[in-house]
Amino acid sequence: NAGVTQTPKFRVLKTGQSMTLLCAQDMNHEYMYWYRQDPGMGLRLIHYSVGEGTTAKGEVPDGYNVSRLKKQNFLLGLESAAPSQTSVYFCASSYSEGLNTEAFFGQGTRLTVV
Amino acid sequence: GNSVTQMEGPVTLSEEAFLTINCTYTATGYPSLFWYVQYPGEGLQLLLKATKADDKGSNKGFEATYRKETTSFHLEKGSVQVSDSAVYFCALSPYSSASKIIFGSGTRLSIRP
Repeated sequence: NAGVTQTPKFRVLKTGQSMTLLCAQDMNHEYMYWYRQDPGMGLRLIHYSVGEGTTAKGEVPDGYNVSRLKKQNFLLGLESAAPSQTSVYFCASSYSEGLNTEAFFGQGTRLTVV
Repeated sequence: GNSVTQMEGPVTLSEEAFLTINCTYTATGYPSLFWYVQYPGEGLQLLLKATKADDKGSNKGFEATYRKETTSFHLEKGSVQVSDSAVYFCALSPYSSASKIIFGSGTRLSIRP
């Protein structure tokens, strides 16, 4: 029972490099999210998707792009990495929106930009 | 706007001690409230939730009651174990859109044997 799987788990980038983080879920969830976790700041929403082919900006979208070409996958791209993007990134998914919605999280990707 | 404030950590307790982690919120309408737990090296997982005033969420010996009058959702456990060492996040989901779950900054809990 895989749930939400993120790849890679760790990555070190040089400033200006690009990369894509992959999130895959096998629960047929409509909603998917990307968060970043920084010390003392909790989780902040970067982008989210309410269904295949849709994306929307969250709280801190600058410097990131996303795509949801398939329902089960949600990709987060960094076109030109900056040290300020050093963080732990979490993907999550949920069945729908609503009062009783539970979000399921991946194990995280630790990204360091030097 | 909507926000969540939880007590800063780290919190260090001895095994079998009583635990309280405070959480207060600001929200319009009637949000749902959650506690998530993050064990070392893992993602967040839902610990418990409450969807309306006076509801009590409970799981694994943890409890939290949705208090609308004090806008609080404090996490409690009567007797903590070493295995409870983790980071705990209070969160709210606004009534209108669960896609914008708002998290507190997290409280790191360490339990010593």
